[in-house]
Amino acid sequence: NAGVTQTPKFQVLKTGQSMTLQCAQDMNHNSMYWYRQDPGMGLRLIYYSASEGTTDKGEVPNGYNVSRLNKREFSLRLESAAPSQTSVYFCASSNSPGQGLYTEAFFGQGTRLTVV
Amino acid sequence: AQSVSQHNHHVILSEAASLELGCNYSYGGTVNLFWYVQYPGQHLQLLLKYFSGDPLVKGIKGFEAEFIKSKFSFNLRKPSVQWSDTAEYFCAVNAHGGSNYKLTFGKGTLLTVNP
Repeated sequence: NAGVTQTPKFQVLKTGQSMTLQCAQDMNHNSMYWYRQDPGMGLRLIYYSASEGTTDKGEVPNGYNVSRLNKREFSLRLESAAPSQTSVYFCASSNSPGQGLYTEAFFGQGTRLTVV
Repeated sequence: AQSVSQHNHHVILSEAASLELGCNYSYGGTVNLFWYVQYPGQHLQLLLKYFSGDPLVKGIKGFEAEFIKSKFSFNLRKPSVQWSDTAEYFCAVNAHGGSNYKLTFGKGTLLTVNP
């Protein structure tokens, strides 16, 4: 029972480089999320996808793009990385109204990204 | 828009001390409430959740939380902490209903338990 799987776990980028963070869930959840975690800031929502085929901006979307490839996968792309994007990134998934009673969000193990 | 406020940034306790971490939210409608825990170097795990019914919710590892609607609060408690409870604790809320269930998190409270 894998739950939410993120890759990679660690990454170092140079300023201006691009990369894609991958996320997959095997719980048949409709909704998926990308958060970033910074010291003293808690978790802040970058983008979310309420269901397959839809994506919406969260609190801090600038500098990021997302793709909901299918129901299982939700990727986060940094087109031109900046030092301010150094953070720990968490993917999460949950069910949604159409799937019955909402339970809670399940989180992946995180990706620690450093931009130098 | 909903928001969550956690009162304490860092709490330091000795083993066997009692714990209460404050959480207040701002949203006028019906909410779902959560406490998550993050042990050092790990991802977030659910401690407990409130959806409806009994406002006193029991979670894993002896934690409990009380939802007080009139105070917009959902404080986390544990009668006697252990060294292994050292972690960061996050309160979270989402608005009940609507087209999505995105969570809003507080900034977190770091709990250090000294042996």
